[in-house]
Amino acid sequence: SQQGEEDPQALSIQEGENATMNCSYKTSINNLQWYRQNSGRGLVHLILIRSNEREKHSGRLRVTLDTSKKSSSLLITASRAADTASYFCATDADTGGFKTIFGAGTRLFVKA
Amino acid sequence: DTAVSQTPKYLVTQMGNDKSIKCEQNLGHDTMYWYKQDSKKFLKIMFSYNNKELIINETVPNRFSPKSPDKAHLNLHINSLELGDSAVYFCASSLFRGLRYEQYFGPGTRLTVT
Repeated sequence: SQQGEEDPQALSIQEGENATMNCSYKTSINNLQWYRQNSGRGLVHLILIRSNEREKHSGRLRVTLDTSKKSSSLLITASRAADTASYFCATDADTGGFKTIFGAGTRLFVKA
Repeated sequence: DTAVSQTPKYLVTQMGNDKSIKCEQNLGHDTMYWYKQDSKKFLKIMFSYNNKELIINETVPNRFSPKSPDKAHLNLHINSLELGDSAVYFCASSLFRGLRYEQYFGPGTRLTVT
């Protein structure tokens, strides 16, 4: 079964607005990662948050993790047209760390 | 300099054929992966290798056989291709040291089986 599930499935916003994507997972994790995928490209790692961390920032990205609710959120502030992509959360299933499970992704479209 | 490279980028073939996809990473990573991304963009892990040893085989049909000749390479051979094998296949690598680190992905190989 799918470990990570993103919400919403698709999001359309205007340039300059903030975009928030949520991810829920089912089992205990060591860390949670967010990746971006531009159309026709491979995934690019954005940020990793460990299970003992609650919040992490990287540039215009802010990630939160709530292990009690088994959920995470990715906030992109002051979005740009170049942020248009699919965003995936990824977790390590409880199998020793070699099995990363990706959610179905949120498709973000930023209108200029 | 390409970190994770895959060849070919596109592969069109007929049902029943056998094909291979090659992957190489120059990051000095010790763990490599194969993922399959379907038409709905759902990304699923197929295999993971650590130091050339198979760690994860995620109930992939026997027609798929990965091979890791060294830590920098992980190839994927597919026998008797089926229509359902059409997808984008991604290779990735990471450095595993007890706690997981981020994965670096290749550009993908779009496989179309007709």
